[in-house]
Amino acid sequence: DGGITQSPKYLFRKEGQNVTLSCEQNLNHDAMYWYRQDPGQGLRLIYYSQIVNDFQKGDIAEGYSVSREKKESFPLTVTSAQKNPTAFYLCASSTSGTSGSEYQETQYFGPGTRLLVL
Amino acid sequence: GENVEQHPSTLSVQEGDSAVIKCTYSDSASNYFPWYKQELGKGPQLIIDIRSNVGEKKDQRIAVTLNKTAKHFSLHITETQPEDSAVYFCAAATWAYVAGGGNKLTFGTGTQLKVEL
Repeated sequence: DGGITQSPKYLFRKEGQNVTLSCEQNLNHDAMYWYRQDPGQGLRLIYYSQIVNDFQKGDIAEGYSVSREKKESFPLTVTSAQKNPTAFYLCASSTSGTSGSEYQETQYFGPGTRLLVL
Repeated sequence: GENVEQHPSTLSVQEGDSAVIKCTYSDSASNYFPWYKQELGKGPQLIIDIRSNVGEKKDQRIAVTLNKTAKHFSLHITETQPEDSAVYFCAAATWAYVAGGGNKLTFGTGTQLKVEL
């Protein structure tokens, strides 16, 4: 899992509750990402951050929030506004290329957190 | 935005046979195409990737081919083994010319590969 840790492995959410998923990396990567994975579907991007104190919405950001106060950490909060939160959540990170370069950087994934609704 | 289609959704092969998984993409600006292997309950792991300035790349039993004109790329696994059984995802990305870098991957829906003894 390349130096990316996610916790907890399983998380249970009650109706109306906000829960926070942790993602930490010790790879000195600038960019970090959150994906959601549902059965039979590919990974869908929730939020991503290319640098500390900056982040952008992905394709399915509604009902989620993030922060990027430290380079190593990119926590994801699943809010009560997310009506169908049951899924497998994956965090990833990558180094950044030089602006103007065509060089792509590989994304490395953590082991994931499975979120279930009680 | 980018759309990536992946086929087949399931694939069963006999041990020792070859397996081929195909993906098509819609955005002609995409220039990076990784393949990931995901075992049950784990995060995806990169197995091979290809950039748009290359038509083919090989790493032991795994190879990827890219046809930019047709906007499709394929994963080839030769001499399959039981440990190759997993879900495989293709993805496509376009480099973002911004400070700090990073890239947005669009994933296919995955192929469940089963290698039977």
